[in-house]
Amino acid sequence: EVQLVESGGGLIQPGGSLRLSCAASGFTFSSYAVSWVRQAPGKGPEWVSCIGDSGGSTNYADSVKGRFTISRDNSKNTLYLQMNSLRAEDTAVYYCAKGGTTKCYSHIDCWGQGTLVTVSS
Amino acid sequence: DIVMTQSPDSLAVSLGERATINCKSSQSVLYTSNNKNYLAWYQQKPRQPPKLLIYWASTRESGVPDRFSGSGSGTDFTLTISSLQAEDVAVYYCQQYYSTPQTFGQGTKLEI
Repeated sequence: EVQLVESGGGLIQPGGSLRLSCAASGFTFSSYAVSWVRQAPGKGPEWVSCIGDSGGSTNYADSVKGRFTISRDNSKNTLYLQMNSLRAEDTAVYYCAKGGTTKCYSHIDCWGQGTLVTVSS
Repeated sequence: DIVMTQSPDSLAVSLGERATINCKSSQSVLYTSNNKNYLAWYQQKPRQPPKLLIYWASTRESGVPDRFSGSGSGTDFTLTISSLQAEDVAVYYCQQYYSTPQTFGQGTKLEI
């Protein structure tokens, strides 16, 4: 069974940093692109970032470019999102999401349960 | 960025009746080299993550009931639920993955 388990969320002050992790199991992690997608309270999903299977290709939403960094460790089956200079508008549930192919140009066929990030003073 | 616009924003359908949700993209999501539409549909129930229903515009995900179907090409797409069941109450989103940033529609809330 494919499983994605996020961790690292919490309450953080504006301007602060947080690192999210996603532990993957049940599939060959190194063979698929993976993404972070967030959802603010009462809003629809917003794609944040994606990384290709080998880690050589990354993409970001303009809203987080320069502040967030996506990375993966295929030896540990783990996806990361380093979030710096956090703003109130970054408050959301952050989902780890598995792509259907090796590339970021793919549908999402599995979502984690999400981890809540709240940016507030 | 490609803008995805769904209609209607909300929809009430009787049990056993057909539900139709539309999605329009601001530019074509058809990749001509492989003739695939880079369009997916998701279902989201309260306090749950989205669930993939349809990808490549019309391919049903494994385990999804066959009352769910997707159609369309280019810029206009439709999700159809042929006979609404109580468990289909949810918010439905379309998503394009033709280009980054991947973008979602605003959602359609489906009620009985």
